[in-house]
Amino acid sequence: DTGVSQDPRHKITKRGQNVTFRCDPISEHNRLYWYRQTLGQGPEFLTYFQNEAQLEKSRLLSDRFSAERPKGSFSTLEIQRTEQGDSAMYLCASSLVGDNQNIQYFGAGTRLSVL
Amino acid sequence: LAKTTQPISMDSYEGQEVNITCSHNNIATNDYITWYQQFPSQGPRFIIQGYKTKVTNEVASLFIPADRKSSTLSLPRVSLSDTAVYYCLVALGLHDMRFGAGTRLTVKP
Repeated sequence: DTGVSQDPRHKITKRGQNVTFRCDPISEHNRLYWYRQTLGQGPEFLTYFQNEAQLEKSRLLSDRFSAERPKGSFSTLEIQRTEQGDSAMYLCASSLVGDNQNIQYFGAGTRLSVL
Repeated sequence: LAKTTQPISMDSYEGQEVNITCSHNNIATNDYITWYQQFPSQGPRFIIQGYKTKVTNEVASLFIPADRKSSTLSLPRVSLSDTAVYYCLVALGLHDMRFGAGTRLTVKP
């Protein structure tokens, strides 16, 4: 257990529905990241926060995706109007600013299946 | 960001030492080399990180030659539970860590 919690672990939804995932980082970590991983591939970066500020978004993050970290603690990732191509594992990671080596600690992920 | 190249897969037997080499020809002066391990249905787990020469922890050793254009992760006396995907990353504290496809290590009895 790395200390990064993700909820739910699994989500099955129908195409067109909205889904929201939650990530609780390691408490003293002020950076939080979201990744997406499909079968047989490495994780792909989506976005990251430093405290409550969203500082970078990948081109992979379409308009249907939105992430928040309102109080600089937990974060949510929402996908609107889900598509079958959104089926993947969504991973959250956290790290500590000042650790310029950027060791990120990952949660177990949320596996999304869009039917 | 420096691109990394590592073997797609490797096989080994229990009790053997496994060495996985990663090439990163375009590594920048301030980049660190980091290795992660990932089991199915879990997030990647940090194994080891280094800048130059050799780093050792309770899990693995990391060998980095003087030119830093490659690195080798060494797993001593592997067991079946070491079967996993191993990722090599090169970055200077950058937010968007670029994972490749990794090396799928299979340890056989």
